[in-house]
Amino acid sequence: AQKITQTQPGMFVQEKEAVTLDCTYDTSDPSYGLFWYKQPSSGEMIFLIYQGSYDQQNATEGRYSLNFQKARKSANLVISASQLGDSAMYFCAMRDYGQNFVFGPGTRLSVLP
Amino acid sequence: DTGVSQNPRHKITKRGQNVTFRCDPISEHNRLYWYRQTLGQGPEFLTYFQNEAQLEKSRLLSDRFSAERPKGSFSTLEIQRTEQGDSAMYLCASSQTGSTNTEAFFGQGTRLTVV
Repeated sequence: AQKITQTQPGMFVQEKEAVTLDCTYDTSDPSYGLFWYKQPSSGEMIFLIYQGSYDQQNATEGRYSLNFQKARKSANLVISASQLGDSAMYFCAMRDYGQNFVFGPGTRLSVLP
Repeated sequence: DTGVSQNPRHKITKRGQNVTFRCDPISEHNRLYWYRQTLGQGPEFLTYFQNEAQLEKSRLLSDRFSAERPKGSFSTLEIQRTEQGDSAMYLCASSQTGSTNTEAFFGQGTRLTVV
């Protein structure tokens, strides 16, 4: 069965600093996708970044990058140059082929001015 | 493309009443998902559709819950005889395909409060 673990219930970061949000996953399927979503207080889930299990390079999208370590089954999100608007809940999710998305419990990020 | 739309945004109902939520996915997205999210938790999978076919249902989806997607377009989620434990945010999402590299796009959710 798929499982996503996010061990940091809450994180604080100073504005303009970088922060890493941890995610580990468990699956027996060799083909899968890993996703990060942001959920501001307004409630909408916003897609941030994707990493495929066969991708050789770590994914990057603007200030977001994914530190993918396949052997360790980890897919940590790195946010560079944090902004006040980055304060939100962040969810790691996984999708095996043909299946639904499984989400972790989330990490609440607070960016301090 | 107006994104995934959910209605209503908020619903307050008395225990024992039936409620129905609607989700309009992004057009041409053949996958549609329903999730439930309680405060401080991640979304929990309820069910998903491939076009009009309901392909998987979670054990969380008791007999009081039913979902439909007639004609493979919009979807409805009905909860019968609501209970206080049903209070949650109900999220709908759609994706273009079932491939592992396809992200899901979420609506803003319907917040249900059972009093």
